Amino acid sequence: DIQMTQSPSSLSASVGDRVTITCRASQSISSYLNWYQQKPGKAPKLLIYAASSLQSGVPSRFSGSGSGTDFTLTISSLQPEDFATYYCQQSYSTPPRFTFGPGTKVDIK
Amino acid sequence: EVQLVESGGGLVQPGGSLRLSCAASGFTVSSNYMSWVRQAPGKGLEWVSVIYSGGSTYYADSVKGRFTISRDNSKNTLYLQMNSLRAEDTAVYYCARDRTTVTTGYMDVWGKGTTVTVSS
Repeated sequence: DIQMTQSPSSLSASVGDRVTITCRASQSISSYLNWYQQKPGKAPKLLIYAASSLQSGVPSRFSGSGSGTDFTLTISSLQPEDFATYYCQQSYSTPPRFTFGPGTKVDIK
Repeated sequence: EVQLVESGGGLVQPGGSLRLSCAASGFTVSSNYMSWVRQAPGKGLEWVSVIYSGGSTYYADSVKGRFTISRDNSKNTLYLQMNSLRAEDTAVYYCARDRTTVTTGYMDVWGKGTTVTVSS
């Protein structure tokens, strides 16, 4: 099975900061990588799909890059509503095993 | 408006059964891939199961043989039948629309979740 790791597991940042979260797959997953945002008590929200495609309605300060095994989610200028936990997810496996990363919690410095 | 609403969660004893429902509006369940994802208290997200538009079903190893995903096209509703429940199945269960294609796969619409607690 494909394993996903994320770093860091948590980070503290200030409004306006540039934030980068890394996700690594245990084997190549091409661009089958998605990013979700989850706030406490809420359902996950899709931000980025296929490694770098911005989901409709998601602010342009969010961007994704990478392919193969290494991926990044970047928030160009952190806003108050961006404090949340971010998960990467691979959708490469066949038959489907849509593995999530362990998450990165972004909180206020 | 595209929406998913889960129901059916609750408290059940170990070894018991529960059926979760996920009612969709704004789109047709049978024309889409649909998934269940769960989240244990204080933990991360775990994919549970998917049903393809053609009817094929797949499960995480942790639930295979105990859980069954299905749908009722007339009710536009997705289900998750959970049998032989264990304490480790305690979680919030989300249903989601799964946009898997040849070149990508992601879940773009999520319900708010329903809570399952397995405890004696």
